[in-house]
Amino acid sequence: NAGVMQNPRHLVRRRGQEARLRCSPMKGHSHVYWYRQLPEEGLKFMVYLQKENIIDESGMPKERFSAEFPKEGPSILRIQQVVRGDSAAYFCASSPIGTGPKNIQYFGAGTRLSVL
Amino acid sequence: KQEVTQIPAALSVPEGENLVLNCSFTDSAIYNLQWFRQDPGKGLTSLLLIQSSQREQTSGRLNASLDKSSGRSTLYIAASQPGDSATYLCAVLEAAGNKLTFGGGTRVLVKP
Repeated sequence: NAGVMQNPRHLVRRRGQEARLRCSPMKGHSHVYWYRQLPEEGLKFMVYLQKENIIDESGMPKERFSAEFPKEGPSILRIQQVVRGDSAAYFCASSPIGTGPKNIQYFGAGTRLSVL
Repeated sequence: KQEVTQIPAALSVPEGENLVLNCSFTDSAIYNLQWFRQDPGKGLTSLLLIQSSQREQTSGRLNASLDKSSGRSTLYIAASQPGDSATYLCAVLEAAGNKLTFGGGTRVLVKP
């Protein structure tokens, strides 16, 4: 059973370009979470999605960032018109249960975004 | 708003010493608390998960305690080894049950 798969592992973009980060949850998991780790900081929650629904986006920046989890295919975190401050490690986690005490999240290896 | 703090931010010990890492959280309404290990440039490895009804969990040389009422958890690593050098993160699953709040981490260096 493969773990949470994120790609690419490393992504380099120039200012103003778009970044697309992909996350395939573990088999049987229908709940996906995105977290961001800025340099020298802890991980911070961004968004929680179920298939075709955004459940909690309280941690998402108001502009340029969007996330989706379509019925088929991986979850995508999209950053438009990237700026240097977007340089960070972006981690995806998945869980078989969305909320409650049995919500154990399994993390991917992360995508490291560098904005030149 | 839940806040998680880890002290110290960095720790350096000689090989063989026991490690004590502290984590505190401001809102005791949590479902569980988890300790992770993160190596430089790598992802997160889950070490121990303690449900809110539990007081401690053990795995090999690792032992984690939880005092929910005082908002504290401690991770003990016995007989440290150079391979234990990493950043250790604690995270709580809030009562809403859908997101983890992380501490800033403790960077550990075990010197041979």
